[in-house]
Amino acid sequence: DAGVTQSPTHLIKTRGQHVTLRCSPISGHKSVSWYQQVLGQGPQFIFQYYEKEERGRGNFPDRFSARQFPNYSSELNVNALLLGDSALYLCASSLTGMRLGGYTFGSGTRLTVV
Amino acid sequence: AQTVTQSQPEMSVQEAETVTLSCTYDTSENNYYLFWYKQPPSRQMILVIRQEAYKQQNATENRFSVNFQKAAKSFSLKISDSQLGDTAMYFCAFMDSGGSNYKLTFGKGTLLTVNP
Repeated sequence: DAGVTQSPTHLIKTRGQHVTLRCSPISGHKSVSWYQQVLGQGPQFIFQYYEKEERGRGNFPDRFSARQFPNYSSELNVNALLLGDSALYLCASSLTGMRLGGYTFGSGTRLTVV
Repeated sequence: AQTVTQSQPEMSVQEAETVTLSCTYDTSENNYYLFWYKQPPSRQMILVIRQEAYKQQNATENRFSVNFQKAAKSFSLKISDSQLGDTAMYFCAFMDSGGSNYKLTFGKGTLLTVNP
């Protein structure tokens, strides 16, 4: 069974540009969450989606947005990129009501803003 | 807001020995969930072990066990018979039990190196 898949694996963008990151959850998982992991830090929560609705949002500016599609895949969009947006972006999926199960993470997208 | 603190940025252990990683957290909730995740160089976060706060018994998964001290808000991870493949970043994480938000709050991590 395929795990959480993210694309692309690596990306280099210029300041001011826009980027779209993609995530496909584990089959049967209806919830997708996004985390930003800056080098040397733990992941920080950005968004959670369930059944195409936003269920939670972290302390990130409006330049960050996301959506979830009917097949439960998700996109994270970041506008007007800043150097500080350089990070590993992790997607995680989970079954609703399975808090103890935690999340299953993908391998992330490494975004470099130059 | 919940916070998670890992006070050991780096640790090392000899192969086959035992090592304990520390984690403390701050919350006003009575019920919640605690996790340890491992992140090897491949970058994927892998769930190592999990604990429900209302359960007194410490969780155990093969060579991995926790020492959960609820009153002290402490959740340490013990790795027995350390193996070279245990070399990774280890993150302690917290999730509250209420509401519809499944947000994980992570510590800054501990880099564990297992030496041959």
